[in-house]
Amino acid sequence: EIVLTQSPGTLSLSPGERATLSCRASQTVGNSFLAWYQQKPGQAPRLLIYGASTRATGIPDRFSGSGSGTDFTLTINRLEPEDFAVYYCQQCGSSPWTFGQGTKVGIK
Amino acid sequence: EVQLVESGGDLVQPGGSLGLSCAGSGFTFSSYAMSWVRQAPGKGLEWVSSITGSGAITYYADSVKGRFTSSRDNSKNRLYLQMNSLRAEDTAIYYCARFPTSIHTFDLWGQGTMVTVSS
Repeated sequence: EIVLTQSPGTLSLSPGERATLSCRASQTVGNSFLAWYQQKPGQAPRLLIYGASTRATGIPDRFSGSGSGTDFTLTINRLEPEDFAVYYCQQCGSSPWTFGQGTKVGIK
Repeated sequence: EVQLVESGGDLVQPGGSLGLSCAGSGFTFSSYAMSWVRQAPGKGLEWVSSITGSGAITYYADSVKGRFTSSRDNSKNRLYLQMNSLRAEDTAIYYCARFPTSIHTFDLWGQGTMVTVSS
């Protein structure tokens, strides 16, 4: 099973700042099948990025994903008030599909 | 509107059974693999099960293998999860999610249904 470790656990930032979230896999994620989701309290997760770097439909271009192999990054440029949420990475390169434990982006 | 709507969540005693349903609309349901993902209260996300578009092949997490069964009725645009021998640790919000094999990820999620296992 591929274990995904996200860091930091919590990020405290102000609107307008840049957020950099890390996701490290215990093994290579095949075909870069690495996705990022955003989840707000009381809501279902929303797909942001798939294939490590492709934005999902309707996702603003301030969200970007990068990385390959075992190291992946989600960057949020110029944080908007609606971006404060929990972010999860997830791999579908090897069964069982697994999620990271999440990074909370909170308002400073 | 493209959407998924889960139903069937309830309070059930340990050892009991419960069935969940997920209705898809606004897209060609049979063309997509579907999955169940759960989230225990205050915790992260855990993949539970997946099923191919035809329903011929199913996959399960080790934590539910032998107790949970996924199925689908494409004529009704519905996905099902039958849960048997429920345990306290199965308490969670259960989400159904669409899984396009072209992008190999969960691109559409329902709002979730709560399952509580407690005496």
